[in-house]
Amino acid sequence: QKEVEQNSGPLSVPEGAIASLNCTYSDRGSQSFFWYRQYSGKSPELIMFIYSNGDKEDGRFTAQLNKASQYVSLLIRDSQPSDSATYLCAVMEYGNKLVFGAGTILRVKS
Amino acid sequence: DGGITQSPKYLFRKEGQNVTLSCEQNLNHDAMYWYRQDPGQGLRLIYYSQIVNDFQKGDIAEGYSVSREKKESFPLTVTSAQKNPTAFYLCASRQLEEGYTFGSGTRLTVV
Repeated sequence: QKEVEQNSGPLSVPEGAIASLNCTYSDRGSQSFFWYRQYSGKSPELIMFIYSNGDKEDGRFTAQLNKASQYVSLLIRDSQPSDSATYLCAVMEYGNKLVFGAGTILRVKS
Repeated sequence: DGGITQSPKYLFRKEGQNVTLSCEQNLNHDAMYWYRQDPGQGLRLIYYSQIVNDFQKGDIAEGYSVSREKKESFPLTVTSAQKNPTAFYLCASRQLEEGYTFGSGTRLTVV
C-alpha cells in the first residue's frame, strides 16, 4: 500500500499570511500530484495538480514538487478566512488510482 | 451543466439490509471511482472502473459490490457483509491526465 502522509493540524495562520501545507509520499515512481480542498460536510474540489519538479503557480496558490525528496507542498498567499478547510494531498498510483493523505486542517483567523 | 450526481444525499440502513448508492456523470469520462471517507481520515478506494463492463477492487472492497453497464453510471451496493458501513461515500470520475471530479457525496448511517 502506497502511503501519503500529511500533518493533521490544525494549522492556524492570521488573515493575510502565507499558509504552507506539506505532504510526503512513499512511492518513488509516482508522477502526478494533486491538491484538493474540502469544506466540512462537502466533497473535495481540485485546487491544483503538478507533474514536474519545481513550482507551479495559480493565483494565490503555489504547488511545489521535489521528487528526489518525495515531497509536495502547497503555499497559499494572502490567506483568507474562506480558505479555512481541510486540504488533501493525493498521489496518482499505477493504474490511475489516486491515493489520498488524511488531510491538513487549515484555520485562517481574521 | 456537466457534472457528477450522487443520490441520495442521506441514506439510512438497517442492520442486515443491502442499500444501493447512485452515481451518474455526464462528463463523458471513461474512468469512475468510489471512495469512502471516515471522520478525520482520508479517502479510501472501494472500487474503480476504467471502461464499461469492467471494474476492479480497490483497497477496501469487502462488503461492497458495483456494476458498470453504462458509461454514465456506476452504482455502489453496500451489502450486509459490510459490518461498519457508516461513512461518507464519494463517487468520482476522471478523463486522461486530469484529476478526479467528485460528486457531492452520500452520507450513509446505520440505524
